[in-house]
Amino acid sequence: SQTIHQWPATLVQPVGSPLSLECTVEGTSNPNLYWYRQAAGRGLQLLFYSIGIDQISSEVPQNLSASRPQDRQFILSSKKLLLSDSGFYLCAWVATTPNEQFFGPGTRLTVL
Amino acid sequence: AQTVTQSQPEMSVQEAETVTLSCTYDTSESDYYLFWYKQPPSRQMILVIRQEAYKQQNATENRFSVNFQKAAKSFSLKISDSQLGDAAMYFCAYTQGAQKLVFGQGTRLTINP
Repeated sequence: SQTIHQWPATLVQPVGSPLSLECTVEGTSNPNLYWYRQAAGRGLQLLFYSIGIDQISSEVPQNLSASRPQDRQFILSSKKLLLSDSGFYLCAWVATTPNEQFFGPGTRLTVL
Repeated sequence: AQTVTQSQPEMSVQEAETVTLSCTYDTSESDYYLFWYKQPPSRQMILVIRQEAYKQQNATENRFSVNFQKAAKSFSLKISDSQLGDAAMYFCAYTQGAQKLVFGQGTRLTINP
């Protein structure tokens, strides 16, 4: 069966520090992968999605970037964090049939 | 662009009663998928129910059912015999093909014992 992992689960970082969040998927090949951010009490905002290795689409211009160095690995990065980057980050993959997305456990990021 | 609107930020219901959560969406496409996701306090996103737009029959999963009105672009979720474990944020979502999900802002459901 397919599983999706995210780490770390919780992260507290100072403003201006770098960021690296990792997402890996097991049990499937060539998945579409997604990064979402959820502010407190709000809905999910799509940040990036990827249909294959090194194929990244950005939905929202910001100081975050994403990379996909391997088929089942998706990384969210920043060179300098802002206070507004605080939130809950969710990684997801989609099964082409029946088009539903499966989410990882998420990373809670606090920027101080 | 596709949008999803959930007009009820909060809802509450007595345990064992029925509650309906509303969702409307905007799209010019004819073939798409709609979902309801549940997010409990753990913040794990859990798929509750799925509806394919080409299917006229409303989807049902145990105590959860939808009222899909394609012409009105409405997709409401009915929870029957509400249980304490149903308390969560509920998100309505839209996708066309294996592409990005567009989410509504969510409805916080409280179950009163």
